[in-house]
Amino acid sequence: DAGVTQSPTHLIKTRGQQVTLRCSPKSGHDTVSWYQQALGQGPQFIFQYYEEEERQRGNFPDRFSGHQFPNYSSELNVNALLLGDSALYLCASSFAGRGSDTEAFFGQGTRLTVV
Amino acid sequence: QKEVEQDPGPLSVPEGAIVSLNCTYSNSAFQYFMWYRQYSRKGPELLMYTYSSGNKEDGRFTAQVDKSSKYISLFIRDSQPSDSATYLCAMSEHGGSQGNLIFGKGTKLSVKP
Repeated sequence: DAGVTQSPTHLIKTRGQQVTLRCSPKSGHDTVSWYQQALGQGPQFIFQYYEEEERQRGNFPDRFSGHQFPNYSSELNVNALLLGDSALYLCASSFAGRGSDTEAFFGQGTRLTVV
Repeated sequence: QKEVEQDPGPLSVPEGAIVSLNCTYSNSAFQYFMWYRQYSRKGPELLMYTYSSGNKEDGRFTAQVDKSSKYISLFIRDSQPSDSATYLCAMSEHGGSQGNLIFGKGTKLSVKP
């Protein structure tokens, strides 16, 4: 059973550029959440997607946007990159169907460096 | 005051020691409590998932939740060098699929052979 997979694993971008990160949820999961983890900090919630719609959003600017596809996979897009966007970006999946409420499992993350 | 407070350590113990990791929180609406282990440059791995107050045991790991004190703990018995990692507490008002998780900063644990 494949867990949560993220691509790419590492990425270097220049300030002002745009980036797209990808996530495939664990088999059987339908909900995808994205987190940003700065060095030495705990992950911070960016947003969550369920049924192809953004269901919740954390305190992140509109430069951060996302999408969920019919197969439950998801993308995180960040526009106009800033040096402060350098972090480990984590995707977590869980299952919300039929009233279930499962724990969230994380992928290995994408390490983004903005130079 | 941050919603979740966790002593970042670092914490260094000899192999075989009992390790106690703790978090305090301020939001009384939190009902779901989790502990994740994160190795360097890897994603967090779920260790324990508990609902409301009480204890939960899984092998060498025991999680305790005291909602009246807004305090959660993770105990690791017979610690091993392979337990060396950063331990993150996380909590939410709803389950993992319906709410965002609020994390502590993580405690870096080193278990010396």
